[in-house]
Amino acid sequence: QVQLVESGGGVVQPGGSLRLSCVASGFTFSTYGMHWVRQAPGKGLEWVAVMSSDGNEKYYADSVKGQFTISRDNSKNTFYLQMDSLKTEDTAVYYCAKGVSVTPTYLQHWGQGTLVTVSS
Amino acid sequence: EIVLTQSPGTLSLSPGERVTLSCRASQSVSSNYLAWYQQKPGQAPRLLIYGASSRATGIPDRFSGSGSGTDFTLTISRLEPEDFTVYYCQQYGRPPFTFGPGTKVDIK
Repeated sequence: QVQLVESGGGVVQPGGSLRLSCVASGFTFSTYGMHWVRQAPGKGLEWVAVMSSDGNEKYYADSVKGQFTISRDNSKNTFYLQMDSLKTEDTAVYYCAKGVSVTPTYLQHWGQGTLVTVSS
Repeated sequence: EIVLTQSPGTLSLSPGERVTLSCRASQSVSSNYLAWYQQKPGQAPRLLIYGASSRATGIPDRFSGSGSGTDFTLTISRLEPEDFTVYYCQQYGRPPFTFGPGTKVDIK
């Protein structure tokens, strides 16, 4: 079955950086687009970014454009979110999610999330 | 950016009742690329509906979606105890793939 396991979350000071990883299993990772979505404590879902299966298409939310970078390593079945210049408002649970085709689509399967806390 | 508005923010209902949740987009959602997700406390969201009206695998048939263009609805025909939680719509027709703010369905 599809499994998505996020890691790399933790506490970081404002202005710091963090890289999240999402390890996928149970499907052919290289043939599916992948997303990051975040949820601040007690708030709703915020879509963050998506990458196509081959990495050629990338889209970001306006709120993270130029600050976050997504990438993937299809040989390692892993999807990444590099977060730089972190602000307190980036504090959230970050979920990775699998699409249903090579191009960006809806989010069919979700990981359990990793918590990022930006605080001094 | 397409902004999604969900109404109402909160609904208080009883088990067995029928409920219709609304999701309105600020621009037409291309190809009706609109999805609905359910999220229970402490859990990741779960896909319910995609393409505005197609049920995801394993989703009970009491859940149905409809709509097109800018107006979409999620209907739960008879509320079960496990349905009292939060629901989000999302458009994936044009990036950024925005979510609505959510509707919470409470037990009356």
